[in-house]
Amino acid sequence: GQNIDQPTEMTATEGAIVQINCTYQTSGFNGLFWYQQHAGEAPTFLSYNVLDGLEEKGRFSSFLSRSKGYSYLLLKELQMKDSASYLCAVRDTRRDTGGFKTIFGAGTRLFVKA
Amino acid sequence: ETGVTQTPRHLVMGMTNKKSLKCEQHLGHNAMYWYKQSAKKPLELMFVYSLEERVENNSVPSRFSPECPNSSHLFLHLHTLQPEDSALYLCASSQWGATGNEQYFGPGTRLTVT
Repeated sequence: GQNIDQPTEMTATEGAIVQINCTYQTSGFNGLFWYQQHAGEAPTFLSYNVLDGLEEKGRFSSFLSRSKGYSYLLLKELQMKDSASYLCAVRDTRRDTGGFKTIFGAGTRLFVKA
Repeated sequence: ETGVTQTPRHLVMGMTNKKSLKCEQHLGHNAMYWYKQSAKKPLELMFVYSLEERVENNSVPSRFSPECPNSSHLFLHLHTLQPEDSALYLCASSQWGATGNEQYFGPGTRLTVT
């Protein structure tokens, strides 16, 4: 089956570093996404990993280990505006059609405190 | 602004009403999606249209009826809904088959069924 797990909530301090983990189980892995969603707003794309390793984009970095079914999103120099939900999503290849399907985790609510 | 617009932003309807949600994308993408987002639950994929043809339907009740007249527009027709259908309905678009294939989301329609 398909399953994505990430912590429900995390709290961190302004200026600190926080790591949000995501583990997944899929039958035809074809990429992992991280999205940010502020309360009452639409998700926005943050990063994409398809090969093992670290992808860095400014204050945000995303890591993938395909053999472990594991990813994390690293946020550095936290700012108050980083308080949001962070959604891990996996693109899976469908066995019946060969097409793709993106499955979302429930999201991790991050609270950044002063 | 993500290039994906949705109307209306808020909708309150009775169980016997018929209404439609509209989505428009200005990104030149060839795939559009409807998602349902309920409190503390993962994004649930409802429908996917690629090149204006419906390629996925996640066993959504027939009281939800999608329509995709062209690659830029997507509708979700609603009739005889239930209170449990109250949720945020998000539209997204992407370039089907492209590497990454990240999705760009509209702001959503907050639906309340009374």
